[in-house]
Amino acid sequence: DAEITQSPRHKITETGRQVTLACHQTWNHNNMFWYRQDLGHGLRLIHYSYGVQDTNKGEVSDGYSVSRSNTEDLPLTLESAASSQTSVYFCASSSQPLEYEQYFGPGTRLTVT
Amino acid sequence: EDKVVQSPLSLVVHEGDTVTLNCSYEVTNFRSLLWYKQEKKAPTFLFMLTSSGIEKKSGRLSSILDKKELFSILNITATQTGDSAVYLCAGGSGTYKYIFGTGTRLKVLA
Repeated sequence: DAEITQSPRHKITETGRQVTLACHQTWNHNNMFWYRQDLGHGLRLIHYSYGVQDTNKGEVSDGYSVSRSNTEDLPLTLESAASSQTSVYFCASSSQPLEYEQYFGPGTRLTVT
Repeated sequence: EDKVVQSPLSLVVHEGDTVTLNCSYEVTNFRSLLWYKQEKKAPTFLFMLTSSGIEKKSGRLSSILDKKELFSILNITATQTGDSAVYLCAGGSGTYKYIFGTGTRLKVLA
């Protein structure tokens, strides 16, 4: 069965370190998204991609970067982790940008100490 | 600025009650609205609404969209403890991305 996976599921890192969160989907979807979820804010879009070599900034992109070298993967990198980036991170994918559901991965809980 | 507002923020009901969750949106070039259920894990898809006035239904859950008044409702009838979750709605904009609300936390007591 097609699925979307994230790794690691839990991560503790120190302030200033570079961290990369992996997202892999086997739906063969062109569209992939990274969100963070914090209490009181719901899901906020960090970056998104509509295909290979395409990346776009979302509403909370500062301090994050992504790259899309193939259809299946969209890794999220925190260049220099900050305590404000402690959050739960969800990756999602969809077959079309709109008017189609987004399938979510299981999430990564990141703690920056 | 695009935004999606859900109400109430939280709700406690007893099994068998009917609940109505609200989602209002201000989304540029609105295209579609999604509803998700989130327990202690990833959001799971419930409904997608694109046309005004057409009810989507799945078992005890139903949803409808009003594009004139810019809102959607999610109804759950004969609630069960398994319905306890956070319910999220998201509005899709002409910039090809979804804006999520903060969610309604529903607790159903046995």
